[in-house]
Amino acid sequence: DGGITQSPKYLFRKEGQNVTLSCEQNLNHDAMYWYRQDPGQGLRLIYYSQIVNDFQKGDIAEGYSVSREKKESFPLTVTSAQKNPTAFYLCASSPPRPLGTEAFFGQGTRLTVV
Amino acid sequence: GQQLNQSPQSMFIQEGEDVSMNCTSSSIFNTWLWYKQDPGEGPVLLIALYKAGELTSNGRLTAQFGITRKDSFLNISASIPSDVGIYFCAGNTGNQFYFGTGTSLTVIP
Repeated sequence: DGGITQSPKYLFRKEGQNVTLSCEQNLNHDAMYWYRQDPGQGLRLIYYSQIVNDFQKGDIAEGYSVSREKKESFPLTVTSAQKNPTAFYLCASSPPRPLGTEAFFGQGTRLTVV
Repeated sequence: GQQLNQSPQSMFIQEGEDVSMNCTSSSIFNTWLWYKQDPGEGPVLLIALYKAGELTSNGRLTAQFGITRKDSFLNISASIPSDVGIYFCAGNTGNQFYFGTGTSLTVIP
């Protein structure tokens, strides 16, 4: 089935460690996004990519890094520089223009710092 | 980044009642989207609206794209227990998506 797969669903990180969250899609979408969700808040954009080998910072990019080497994959690394990484992380993708008006989400990864 | 004003923040209703929630923005959007999110899961797209004034239904759900392109509402008729969850609005400018802070819906059987 077509869709967006995030893994793992739950992730625990020790302070000072980098961790990488996986996001894969088989929808042939050009654009991919990473959002952070905290309780009672809306989704905040971390990074987005409109095309392979290109990505842009969102509103809260500090302490995060991404790569887009393949159209299907957009992994997010939470670095030790991110001081408050405990959150729910959502990956999304969007169809190519001019249809790119809808975002489809993965199941999310809950990251907890221990 | 821009956040949409979504209201109400939470609702507690009896099963069978109708529900209405809305989103407003200071910016014009090309598309309005409504999502439902269950706890610990990703948002699922319910309805997409593509032009001003558009009224679209999906089963018991009805949504409208405001004429000014700065607002949208979602109605749920005859609510059932499985309607419980958080509902988000989202607007698309062509490059990015902007999201409301969500309406938490509780349906009392």
